[in-house]
Amino acid sequence: DAKTTQPPSMDCAEGRAANLPCNHSTISGNEYVYWYRQIHSQGPQYIIHGLKNNETNEMASLIITEDRKSSTLILPHATLRDTAVYYCIVKGGNYGQNFVFGPGTRLSVLP
Amino acid sequence: EPEVTQTPSHQVTQMGQEVILRCVPISNHLYFYWYRQILGQKVEFLVSFYNNEISEKSEIFDDQFSVERPDGSNFTLKIRSTKLEDSAMYFCASKITGVSYEQYFGPGTRLTVT
Repeated sequence: DAKTTQPPSMDCAEGRAANLPCNHSTISGNEYVYWYRQIHSQGPQYIIHGLKNNETNEMASLIITEDRKSSTLILPHATLRDTAVYYCIVKGGNYGQNFVFGPGTRLSVLP
Repeated sequence: EPEVTQTPSHQVTQMGQEVILRCVPISNHLYFYWYRQILGQKVEFLVSFYNNEISEKSEIFDDQFSVERPDGSNFTLKIRSTKLEDSAMYFCASKITGVSYEQYFGPGTRLTVT
C-alpha cells in the first residue's frame, strides 16, 4: 500500500472550511484514497473515499488531483465537533483487508 | 442506525490473567476486525476474520491472542496471559461484504493491565 504524508496538526475557525491535505505520490492505479477520523479516543469513523474523481457526501468533499498524487479533504463548514484526528489511508482493493493508520492530522476547530 | 457495540467499556486486569473482549458487529456484516491503540499512539491492525477463520493477522497478533465467533452475533478477542504492554484501547470493526469500502468501528474497550 502506498505511503501517505499529512501535516501533524491544523487549526480552523468555526464556520470556515477546513482543508486537510494528503500526499500519496506512490499511489498505484488500483488504490483508493480513504479518509477516517477519530474524535477523542472513540473508534475511527469513516468519512469518504475515492479513486480518481472528486467525491462529495453529507460529511465532506474529497478532491483528488489529476495525477492522483495528492488529495484534499474539505469540511465545508467546520464545527467544534469536527475537532479530531483525520487519517488519510491509501488502500488497494477492498476484499476484507485491514487499514493501516498513520499518525494523521490533528484538526482543532477554534471558536 | 445500526452500530458496532463492545463490552466492557473498561477492563482492568492483573498481569498474567486472561481477558475476553466482546464485540457485537452489525448484524448483516460478514468481515470482522480487531485493532488496538496504545495511548498516544497509532491505531494498529491486529486481525481480520471472515467465514469463521482468520483471513489476515499482524505480527502483534501472536500466540497469546485468539479470536472467535462463538454464535451468530458475538465476535471475541481473547488475550491468554496479559502483559503490561497489552494496555490499550481495543477496537472492533465490521464490514458488510468484501466489496464494500467502509469499516464500521465500535467505541472500544479500554484494557488496563496492572
